[in-house]
Amino acid sequence: EDQVTQSPEALRLQEGESSSLNCSYTVSGLRGLFWYRQDPGKGPEFLFTLYSAGEEKEKERLKATLTKKESFLHITAPKPEDSATYLCAARLDSTGGFKTIFGAGTRLFVKA
Amino acid sequence: NAGVMQNPRHLVRRRGQEARLRCSPVKGHSHVYWYRQLPEEGLKFMVYLQKENIIDESGMPKERFSAEFPKEGPSILRIQQVVRGDSAAYFCASSSSGPYSYNSPLHFGNGTRLTVT
Repeated sequence: EDQVTQSPEALRLQEGESSSLNCSYTVSGLRGLFWYRQDPGKGPEFLFTLYSAGEEKEKERLKATLTKKESFLHITAPKPEDSATYLCAARLDSTGGFKTIFGAGTRLFVKA
Repeated sequence: NAGVMQNPRHLVRRRGQEARLRCSPVKGHSHVYWYRQLPEEGLKFMVYLQKENIIDESGMPKERFSAEFPKEGPSILRIQQVVRGDSAAYFCASSSSGPYSYNSPLHFGNGTRLTVT
């Protein structure tokens, strides 16, 4: 069964304390690995797409990497405004097109 | 350029009533997806539609739930005879069409929060 698993479920950091979020996936026919940010009461907001092992993408304090079985979201020197839920999603082939399945997310809390 | 619009934002229904959730995709997007999210859980895929066609409904319960995306107008997710277990946030997402559409990320609305009393 296609599956995306994220860890940890929650992460509490002090401002400036760098860390990484993990996303492991077991899917057939992976078309892309996506990272989203979700704030309370809002829909997910797109951050990155990764397509092949070894690929890296960066945006401000965030860097996403991809291996054949995992993706990591590295957060360097986080600020309180980085507090949110970070969702990982795998896009795979499906009937008539493709579909995207999500992990349960990592809730990040950054304290000033 | 407007993003994905969902309405209503909040919907309260009594058990046994019908709930209709609406979604207008990003202009020019012809792929629509519905997801359900329970507190502290991930997004669960329900259904994938293109204009006038249901492409994949493998995540949608076979009874009481239906979805459509007509040629004109918004996509509708309909839940008949709602029960307390249907209470959740329902998110709609859209993506662009084309031969490389698997590249395009999903654009999400801010969801409809359904509460069944």
